[in-house]
Amino acid sequence: EVQLVESGGGLIQVGGSLRLSCAVSGFTVSGHFMGWVRQGPGKGLEWVSVISGGGKTYYADSVKGRFTISRDNSKNTVYLQMNSLRAEDTALYYCARVSDSWGQGTLVTVSS
Amino acid sequence: DVVMTQSPLSLPVTLGQPASISCRSSRSLVHSDGNTYLNWFQQRPGQSPRRLLYRVSNRDSGVPDRFSGSGSGTDFTLKISTVEAEDVGVYYCMQGIDFWTFGQGTRVEI
Repeated sequence: EVQLVESGGGLIQVGGSLRLSCAVSGFTVSGHFMGWVRQGPGKGLEWVSVISGGGKTYYADSVKGRFTISRDNSKNTVYLQMNSLRAEDTALYYCARVSDSWGQGTLVTVSS
Repeated sequence: DVVMTQSPLSLPVTLGQPASISCRSSRSLVHSDGNTYLNWFQQRPGQSPRRLLYRVSNRDSGVPDRFSGSGSGTDFTLKISTVEAEDVGVYYCMQGIDFWTFGQGTRVEI
C-alpha cells in the first residue's frame, strides 16, 4: 500500500527555518518525481518544489533561493528545507508523488 | 509560466443532473512526446486532493465512470454525468508540461 506521511510542520517566526519530512512506503522515491504542494488558508493548490527520479530539482518562483528539496534514498524520505520563512508561506504542505498519491499534509504557520 | 484558468469558480449543482467545468491553459499542453499533460483533481472538504483523471481523459483507479475528461491543446473540460452528494468539493485542473501549475479551483456545491 502506498503511503506518504509528512512531519515537521509547526509555528515559526518570520525569518526562521523549518525542515519538512515525507516518509514514503509502498514505492521507492528514487524512481519517481516527488514534490511538495502547499495550500494557504482558504486558498488553492500551489506546487512548491519537485525532485525528479534522477535528482533534478524544480522550484516555484515564490520559493526559489529559500527552499531546498532533497531526498534520502536509504530512508525512502523526501525533505523540504525552508529558510527565510515569510508570513505568506503559512500553509498546509502536502507531499505528493507527482501527481497520483498524496499525504495528509503538515501545517506550517509563520508568525510575525 | 503556464497559467491555468478555470470556469466557473463556483458551480451550484442538482443531484442527478450533469455538471461541467472548463479549464483553459495559456499555452498548448501537448508535449513533444505526443502526450497532453492535463490532470484533474478533486478535493473533498477536509481531505487531501485526489487525482481523478490524467492526460486529459484517463481515469485513475477507483474513480467512478460518471467522471470524464475531454479537450485538446489549450481547452479542456471535466464532466460529471450525474452528480452525487459525495461529489461536493473543489475541483482543480493541473498542467504538467512546464513545471506544474493548478487552476484556481471550482467549488461544486449542492
